[in-house]
Amino acid sequence: DVKVTQSSRYLVKRTGEKVFLECVQDMDHENMFWYRQDPGLGLRLIYFSYDVKMKEKGDIPEGYSVSREKKERFSLILESASTNQTSMYLCASIGGREKLFFGSGTQLSVL
Amino acid sequence: AQTVTQSQPEMSVQEAETVTLSCTYDTSENNYYLFWYKQPPSRQMILVIRQEAYKQQNATENRFSVNFQKAAKSFSLKISDSQLGDTAMYFCAFMKTKAAGNKLTFGGGTRVLVKP
Repeated sequence: DVKVTQSSRYLVKRTGEKVFLECVQDMDHENMFWYRQDPGLGLRLIYFSYDVKMKEKGDIPEGYSVSREKKERFSLILESASTNQTSMYLCASIGGREKLFFGSGTQLSVL
Repeated sequence: AQTVTQSQPEMSVQEAETVTLSCTYDTSENNYYLFWYKQPPSRQMILVIRQEAYKQQNATENRFSVNFQKAAKSFSLKISDSQLGDTAMYFCAFMKTKAAGNKLTFGGGTRVLVKP
């Protein structure tokens, strides 16, 4: 079974802190994604990557950056966390037949 | 840009009954994929069903079936014989074919509560 692992299930940070959310997949997928989930808004794409060191902005990239130094790892970075970045963050990778595999999410609270 | 709309924020259904979730989307593409994902309280997203736009036949997976109306840009999900384990958030999603990165666009979600 494909595994997408997010390093933290819950995270509490202070305003202004630099935050790293890590995601690792074990199926050699080329495409990886970071989504943000908020009630009533569904999942919104922050960034995606289709190869090592390649990245593209999604629909809501402001305040975020990403890093993909190795194929299996895709990191989301909040340079200076703000309270409006309190949310559920979901990482995903895509395999055959356009099936998206998700991690179990990181609930981030910024105080 | 594509948009996906789920007009029902919440729905409840009695166990063993049928519930239908609506989804509409907006696109100028002719070929694309549509999906329904389920997110139970565990937060793990689970693919429920997948439809390719060029296929006229509606997809079915056990108790889950879709009504795909391409001209109307509608993609509803029917859950038959509802079970308590069907209680979850359900998301409709759209993907262009041959798009860079295969990114999905999601709707806002519908919370389904199955009552015993």
